[in-house]
Amino acid sequence: SAVISQKPSRDICQRGTSLTIQCQVDSQVTMMFWYRQQPGQSLTLIATANQGSEATYESGFVIDKFPISRPNLTFSTLTVSNMSPEDSSIYLCSVASWLGSGNTIYFGEGSWLTVV
Amino acid sequence: QKEVEQDPGPLSVPEGAIVSLNCTYSNSAFQYFMWYRQYSRKGPELLMYTYSSGNKEDGRFTAQVDKSSKYISLFIRDSQPSDSATYLCAMSRTGNQFYFGTGTSLTVIP
Repeated sequence: SAVISQKPSRDICQRGTSLTIQCQVDSQVTMMFWYRQQPGQSLTLIATANQGSEATYESGFVIDKFPISRPNLTFSTLTVSNMSPEDSSIYLCSVASWLGSGNTIYFGEGSWLTVV
Repeated sequence: QKEVEQDPGPLSVPEGAIVSLNCTYSNSAFQYFMWYRQYSRKGPELLMYTYSSGNKEDGRFTAQVDKSSKYISLFIRDSQPSDSATYLCAMSRTGNQFYFGTGTSLTVIP
């Protein structure tokens, strides 16, 4: 399984500011994803981070709000821009990895953001 | 209709009990099934992974998949207070796109 390191693990942010979350994987992976998990909710896919090209965003998420970089196969960043209290959430970096008969998905420890 | 349905609970059991967690799904093409455990304010941790139908056992955990009923289960034997967490089911058709349940909150009381 992949070991995924995220930082910061938690932060308290001022309304209107932006924060960049970093994700480092201990091996090269093709598929890397960013999820959001709002309090009491399940996981919502924000985007797939593509190495060397623009990220693929899910419905309801846009690049201006959540710019993503993926400069290589082991690293990605997610920026949450112009934050509002509604952005308070856990942001999760994840990777798909081959496990026996197919891919499964592994998660980092998460970055818990509180916007005040 | 949601792709994956999971009872959010909360579920509270005494230590040592057998816990049964369940999910139903609508897409008969799903063939990869996963269970994750998530402690408060942490990322989900993969517990069990099953391909297609059948049972899989790992220590105190057993995952069951019934594709004919579109129903998956996770059983926890001899439950411990350290099992207190939220359990998420997930599934995939191709291994490229994953669908998650909303999670079931479990508390094991000493």
